[in-house]
Amino acid sequence: DTAVSQTPKYLVTQMGNDKSIKCEQNLGHDTMYWYKQDSKKFLKIMFSYNNKELIINETVPNRFSPKSPDKAHLNLHINSLELGDSAVYFCASSQDFPSTDTQYFGPGTRLTVL
Amino acid sequence: AQSVAQPEDQVNVAEGNPLTVKCTYSVSGNPYLFWYVQYPNRGLQFLLKYITGDNLVKGSYGFEAEFNKSQTSFHLKKPSALVSDSALYFCAVRDDTNAGKSTFGDGTTLTVKP
Repeated sequence: DTAVSQTPKYLVTQMGNDKSIKCEQNLGHDTMYWYKQDSKKFLKIMFSYNNKELIINETVPNRFSPKSPDKAHLNLHINSLELGDSAVYFCASSQDFPSTDTQYFGPGTRLTVL
Repeated sequence: AQSVAQPEDQVNVAEGNPLTVKCTYSVSGNPYLFWYVQYPNRGLQFLLKYITGDNLVKGSYGFEAEFNKSQTSFHLKKPSALVSDSALYFCAVRDDTNAGKSTFGDGTTLTVKP
């Protein structure tokens, strides 16, 4: 069983479109995250939810909107896609939110904006 | 503010030789330090972490890391490298004064040659 899964694995779309990436975890964790990994492999946190409540919101354009329908799901919706949004997006989860918790990452979604 | 530095973009070692991947950090409060590994086209996998206690932490796949508070370092080590250890390695720090947000280093690509 996959612990943290993301769909789709690849997403190719045109500038200006709106797209969503879905994430699900079956670990029973309370906290979920979205990270962006750019072409240089740098990894930056975007958002974090704990028990469906937003707790981290980094300086991300408001075209990016996370939605957590329940503790096991954290989806990422992106409006008006731009070339610079091309990256690999990783979802992750952890048991809870203390600083000591290990994060478990999904396989990533490679987004290409043309 | 917290930060992590991985001073080497690339580390090359011969199979069977010891390897070290360096990491230094800066935090305001107590540091919680993590190492993750990313294989090509995969998500990050947890290797080990330091929370408190013994400065030498042992993790998955024979890796270990030593927490050095005076040098603010958390270098990853392995006594005998394998070709299969070739991957991208990330050091991450969390600080309990910063809402549990993780800051990742820029990554170090480890190449082990037969």
